[in-house]
Amino acid sequence: TQLLEQSPQFLSIQEGENLTVYCNSSSVFSSLQWYRQEPGEGPVLLVTVVTGGEVKKLKRLTFQFGDARKDSSLHITAAQPGDTGLYLCAGAGWGNTGKLIFGQGTTLQVKP
Amino acid sequence: GAGVSQSPSNKVTEKGKDVELRCDPISGHTALYWYRQRLGQGLEFLIYFQGNSAPDKSGLPSDRFSAERTGESVSTLTIQRTQQEDSAVYLCASSLGGAQRKSQYFGPGTRLLVL
Repeated sequence: TQLLEQSPQFLSIQEGENLTVYCNSSSVFSSLQWYRQEPGEGPVLLVTVVTGGEVKKLKRLTFQFGDARKDSSLHITAAQPGDTGLYLCAGAGWGNTGKLIFGQGTTLQVKP
Repeated sequence: GAGVSQSPSNKVTEKGKDVELRCDPISGHTALYWYRQRLGQGLEFLIYFQGNSAPDKSGLPSDRFSAERTGESVSTLTIQRTQQEDSAVYLCASSLGGAQRKSQYFGPGTRLLVL
């Protein structure tokens, strides 16, 4: 069974601080997605990483896919209150499956 | 609208009743997915439709759960004889096919409460 472990589960920081969220597995994924979800809404896709070692930047967010394609990290620089939400990583398997395996999520609270 | 839409947004039902949840995917998206999210948890895969291929039903938790899709458009998730443990948010997503199917776009979800 493929599992994705996210850490930390909860994070409460002050505006302006930096943070990193980790997503780890013993399984190899063909790609990995990061989503952000706000209360009462569906997850919103932030990024898809496909190549081992790949780094993608989205403004103050930096996403990295591990060389072995088993892990990923999300780093936020100078967090803002608007970054508050639930961050989810999701891994895609190989072949024709469209199924995504989700981590349990990291709840981030950024205090002004 | 341009995004995935779901209805109803909220549903309260009594234990033992059947419910139907609807999903309208993004136009042109050939793949459609259903997930379940329990309070404070990640998403649990339920079922995946891709064009005319047989759906991947491997995530359906019991035979009380079923889903249909009409062509490459609307999908309906049906839960028969609902139980309290079925209470959750049911999320629908759609994507393009092929290599693009990993990038899935979600609707706002249907919040189901079984009393």
